[in-house]
Amino acid sequence: GDSVTQMEGPVTLSEEAFLTINCTYTATGYPSLFWYVQYPGEGLQLLLKATKADDKGSNKGFEATYRKETTSFHLEKGSVQVSDSAVYFCALVKGGRRALTFGSGTRLQVQP
Amino acid sequence: EAQVTQNPRYLITVTGKKLTVTCSQNMNHEYMSWYRQDPGLGLRQIYYSMNVEVTDKGDVPEGYKVSRKEKRNFPLILESPSPNQTSLYFCASSPDGASFGGDTQYFGPGTRLTVL
Repeated sequence: GDSVTQMEGPVTLSEEAFLTINCTYTATGYPSLFWYVQYPGEGLQLLLKATKADDKGSNKGFEATYRKETTSFHLEKGSVQVSDSAVYFCALVKGGRRALTFGSGTRLQVQP
Repeated sequence: EAQVTQNPRYLITVTGKKLTVTCSQNMNHEYMSWYRQDPGLGLRQIYYSMNVEVTDKGDVPEGYKVSRKEKRNFPLILESPSPNQTSLYFCASSPDGASFGGDTQYFGPGTRLTVL
């Protein structure tokens, strides 16, 4: 079946450091890819998405490019802030029942 | 404000006592879904609905029921809760029930359920 693999956390960075969170997927067909973020005590919020190969999703300084050849959708940000501390989930969805298949999540801790 | 709401946010109950977790969205979305989040297992889909009166099983439907009598509401029913249903539950919705899957799913704030 479909699956998403994310790098294990926690990832601890200093403010203004460069962030990369790796995400790779296994799926048949042409899934859409998403990054969701979960702040403490809150639900999941969409961070960005890409619906076809070579698309780049971007939002709030975060970016990710849909790479079909490497089945990857790595999340990057050039300069993280303390307010970016959260759990980040990579996910995919295909047509039909459209269940989001999530990775296990990566906790990011940004220190001042 | 466009949102998905869930009630209750926290619930502690005992084995076998029927309960309902409500989910409501004010965005006129056709598609709604329930997930449970467990440590080490991530989020897994329980049930989904493409539109009013159209529901179907997700990956982990055992022990749960749903109904979709109105577009905005999608309650999750546990007829006889058991301790293995202790989890964090999320409701989600997205605009188009017939789309290919690229629609964003909007999540509620979650319901933390403990079954003793």
